[in-house]
Amino acid sequence: DAGITQSPRHKVTETGTPVTLRCHQTENHRYMYWYRQDPGHGLRLIHYSYGVKDTDKGEVSDGYSVSRSKTEDFLLTLESATSSQTSVYFCAISVQGRVGETQYFGPGTRLLVL
Amino acid sequence: TQLLEQSPQFLSIQEGENLTVYCNSSSVFSSLQWYRQEPGEGPVLLVTVVTGGEVKKLKRLTFQFGDARKDSSLHITAAQPGDTGLYLCAGMDSNYQLIWGAGTKLIIKP
Repeated sequence: DAGITQSPRHKVTETGTPVTLRCHQTENHRYMYWYRQDPGHGLRLIHYSYGVKDTDKGEVSDGYSVSRSKTEDFLLTLESATSSQTSVYFCAISVQGRVGETQYFGPGTRLLVL
Repeated sequence: TQLLEQSPQFLSIQEGENLTVYCNSSSVFSSLQWYRQEPGEGPVLLVTVVTGGEVKKLKRLTFQFGDARKDSSLHITAAQPGDTGLYLCAGMDSNYQLIWGAGTKLIIKP
């Protein structure tokens, strides 16, 4: 457990509404990631951050924005939710170890866009 | 686009049987990781392999990294119901990004 929490854990929203998901970590790790997980696709990187106010796009960033104003919080915003964004969203931090990087994941947020 | 293909996508076997899950790519990775994910939770790292040909054992689980560092396998001996879960492989590419496989859903029946 790397002290990662996500909120909300479950959310139902309507198409066209903005949605913000929060990831909070307690151990001041520099790198944070947002993934989505869909059947048959595994984990796909949406955005990542390498420090406060430093973020970059991942593989599936269209329709998503992120912000990191504090080390401990990484926010993911769906600017105008669509049904294709129904998914499970995972936040992760990375820790450099003896044999390379390890990613530790939060418990996930299950989002349903109607 | 780099791809990591996992096979099989789904496997359901009886307790006590052996199984192997494969992770293949045409790309070379500096390291490869295996994660296990249980329903309602995030993935948890099982092992990282770094050297071509490397074999690591974790109790009944044996992980191997291919000589060319393009593929990996996970072998489970005498599977138990507690091994049930989604197994994901992830390779570290030259840009220090993790490339994820789609996962193998494993069910071990008592």
